[in-house]
Amino acid sequence: DAGITQSPRHKVTETGTPVTLRCHQTENHRYMYWYRQDPGHGLRLIHYSYGVKDTDKGEVSDGYSVSRSKTEDFLLTLESATSSQTSVYFCATQSGNGGNQPQHFGDGTRLSIL
Amino acid sequence: DQQVKQNSPSLSVQEGRISILNCDYTNSMFDYFLWYKKYPAEGPTFLISISSIKDKNEDGRFTVFLNKSAKHLSLHIVPSQPGDSAVYFCAASDTGNQFYFGTGTSLTVIP
Repeated sequence: DAGITQSPRHKVTETGTPVTLRCHQTENHRYMYWYRQDPGHGLRLIHYSYGVKDTDKGEVSDGYSVSRSKTEDFLLTLESATSSQTSVYFCATQSGNGGNQPQHFGDGTRLSIL
Repeated sequence: DQQVKQNSPSLSVQEGRISILNCDYTNSMFDYFLWYKKYPAEGPTFLISISSIKDKNEDGRFTVFLNKSAKHLSLHIVPSQPGDSAVYFCAASDTGNQFYFGTGTSLTVIP
């Protein structure tokens, strides 16, 4: 949807290791988002970006950092992964500001921290 | 604390009948409400939206109703089809960018 590619699609790693997830879009959308989906919680916003080098925190940002050096790429980094960060991560994009602009989602990255 | 709640984790409906999915929210500042549909191993896809200035929005078989005084919205699917079987998330926002999602309702349409 909306030309969104997440990589990797699956990853298994160990506690304490750094992990970077990549989101790439081809639609030139201004806004990009990282969510995590966990049972009993739905999707929760981690960080979002409203332009190149412009980012802000979401409701569950602790332990995560992001970077956006180009319009098309939004990286999510776990500096030192913990088991509580085992989750399915979704990237989303949005063309403009406003509730009538829906977010378009990638197909997710399943991350397991052992 | 969960600002958007979907209290029914699952729902089963016969093909051809109406499916009604419910969503409640706590923040009176929310102005934008969206429904997304999600199949396994895929990302959510946008279904229908409504803003606080309206109480109903219709798109084909899908209608969303908003009751602001009750802080409640619902999604009606008529008639339900087997391909509608999926997890449905409602989402709400006051800014149009930071959306809060419910926990989802898994709909099964029985042929």
